[in-house]
Amino acid sequence: QKEVEQDPGPLSVPEGAIVSLNCTYSNSAFQYFMWYRQYSRKGPELLMYTYSSGNKEDGRFTAQVDKSSKYISLFIRDSQPSDSATYLCAMSEVDSSYKLIFGSGTRLLVRP
Amino acid sequence: SQTIHQWPATLVQPVGSPLSLECTVEGTSNPNLYWYRQAAGRGLQLLFYSVGIGQISSEVPQNLSASRPQDRQFILSSKKLLLSDSGFYLCAWTLDSITQYFGPGTRLTVL
Repeated sequence: QKEVEQDPGPLSVPEGAIVSLNCTYSNSAFQYFMWYRQYSRKGPELLMYTYSSGNKEDGRFTAQVDKSSKYISLFIRDSQPSDSATYLCAMSEVDSSYKLIFGSGTRLLVRP
Repeated sequence: SQTIHQWPATLVQPVGSPLSLECTVEGTSNPNLYWYRQAAGRGLQLLFYSVGIGQISSEVPQNLSASRPQDRQFILSSKKLLLSDSGFYLCAWTLDSITQYFGPGTRLTVL
């Protein structure tokens, strides 16, 4: 079993839709949870991060963490064609190296 | 502001040839530095990380090595490339030990 599981998609939605992206994990020691956006042939770009459980909102993006279920989500409201990319979740324990463990990414396509 | 550079952007190398990829960070001091590899359609695999000059930790035993000769320079090397070394190599840095910021990547094709 992988430490972090993520549906590869592709997920295709019409412009303006609410998008829900999810990851599950097995390591209860994970404390930091990140979402990265990666456009084709580019490096990942950090979108949001949260510590422990709870919600965090930034513009059209909302990140949720449910540690009891080992489940994290990223919601995108009013999705735009420019949101079309691969979304990677990542997690880390609290130690001196802060190594990130990544999901395999979900490819999102927002249709105009 | 901080900037991370990687070069070359793309590289095509024959099997058995050596490799040297370079990553430099500007605008910060004493960052943690990381090398990742991303295979097509897959997530990022951590290869090496460094918490200081000369300090390298290897995550995956393989054909690659890393060095950190200066505070903001991280080098990924190989003496003899394998076909399986093909992929998208990404360098990342962090200063607050929470958020990692990635460079533009190097796309390596081994033929």
